[in-house]
Amino acid sequence: DAGITQSPRHKVTETGTPVTLRCHQTENHRYMYWYRQDPGHGLRLIHYSYGVKDTDKGEVSDGYSVSRSKTEDFLLTLESATSSQTSVYFCAIRQGAKNIQYFGAGTRLSVL
Amino acid sequence: ELKVEQNPLFLSMQEGKNYTIYCNYSTTSDRLYWYRQDPGKSLESLFVLLSNGAVKQEGRLMASLDTKARLSTLHITAAVHDLSATYFCAVNTGTASKLTFGTGTRLQVTL
Repeated sequence: DAGITQSPRHKVTETGTPVTLRCHQTENHRYMYWYRQDPGHGLRLIHYSYGVKDTDKGEVSDGYSVSRSKTEDFLLTLESATSSQTSVYFCAIRQGAKNIQYFGAGTRLSVL
Repeated sequence: ELKVEQNPLFLSMQEGKNYTIYCNYSTTSDRLYWYRQDPGKSLESLFVLLSNGAVKQEGRLMASLDTKARLSTLHITAAVHDLSATYFCAVNTGTASKLTFGTGTRLQVTL
C-alpha cells in the first residue's frame, strides 16, 4: 500500500459542517494527490502537493482546500460540506522513475 | 482540456474468451497508466506505457500504446473469473504527473 494511511475511512456529516480528511505517508514521497471518485466520472484530481507548503489545484478544486505542513501529511478540507461532495476520496503518492501513483484505501464521505 | 474516453463502459464476457478495452485521449501525453479496482477497494497499478509502440504483458493482460493515434488498448486473453474488476486508464499531463482518468470499464467474467 506504499505506506499510505487515510483517515477516517468512513464519515457521515451534515451539510454546512467543516470536514478534514487526512492522508499520511511514511516513505518521504515528495508528490501527494487528492482525488474523488464518483460513478460515471472515474477519478478526478482535486489538489496536489509537490512539497511542504507547495500545493496546486486540480480539475475539481472548488469547495476544497489543502495543507501540507510536513512531508508525511496532506490534509484535505471541505470548509462547508455540501451534498455534492458526497464521494469516495483517494489519496495517492508518486513513486519511482516511472512516476506511478499508488493509492490509499480511500475515505467514504456522506454529506446529508 | 484533456479528455480520456474508455469503451466499453461495461463488458460481460465468458471465461476463456478474448476481448479488448480501448482508451482514447485527446491531447499529447508522454505516459499512460492502467489500473485495476475491485469493488469497494483501492486502485492497483497494472501497467505504465512510456513510448509509442510500448507493449506490456502480465499474465492474461496485455497493454499497448499508440501515441500517434492517441490510443491504448488492454487486451484480455482467455478470461478467468478473477479478472472481474473495473479497469481504468489514466493519462499523465505535465511534470507534476497529474492524471486524467477514463470513466472505467467494468469487466464481468462469467462461467
